[in-house]
Amino acid sequence: SQTIHQWPATLVQPVGSPLSLECTVEGTSNPNLYWYRQAAGRGLQLLFYSVGIGQISSEVPQNLSASRPQDRQFILSSKKLLLSDSGFYLCAWSSDRDYNEQFFGPGTRLTVL
Amino acid sequence: KNQVEQSPQSLIILEGKNCTLQCNYTVSPFSNLRWYKQDTGRGPVSLTIMTFSENTKSNGRYTATLDADTKQSSLHITASQLSDSASYICVLQGGADGLTFGKGTHLIIQP
Repeated sequence: SQTIHQWPATLVQPVGSPLSLECTVEGTSNPNLYWYRQAAGRGLQLLFYSVGIGQISSEVPQNLSASRPQDRQFILSSKKLLLSDSGFYLCAWSSDRDYNEQFFGPGTRLTVL
Repeated sequence: KNQVEQSPQSLIILEGKNCTLQCNYTVSPFSNLRWYKQDTGRGPVSLTIMTFSENTKSNGRYTATLDADTKQSSLHITASQLSDSASYICVLQGGADGLTFGKGTHLIIQP
């Protein structure tokens, strides 16, 4: 069966510090991968998606970047965190972006102070 | 721009009672409508998926309905349990925006 992992589960970082969140998927090959942010009281916002190694599409302009160095690894990064980067970050995977269900990871709670 | 509006924003009911959550959308056409359950501090988990041609889909005590004419969907929870306390998110797939997420309804079940 397929599983999706995210770490760390929680993170507290000062403004201006770098960020690296990792997501890995097991039990499937060539998944579509997604990064979402969920701010308090707001819906899920798609940040990035990837259909293959090295292929990243950005949905919204922002202070973050994403990379996919391996087929089942998706990394969310920032060089300098802003207060507004605080939120709950969710990684998800699907077998096909347009038709199949997305399965979400457990999430990372990021607090920028 | 595609929109998904959920109501109520939050709801408190007593354990054992039934409740209905609403989802109104403007996405048209769409390929499927999904309801997710998200426990606090966890990732969303799928409850039901309906294509535009389906009217109802059940998953245990959860029943989702879809009215394509009025562009409304509802999620009915029967005989609520404490573990039903969570946020419930309506998601539509279709149109140029791909997936459109509602903001969710925060449900609290009280003993």
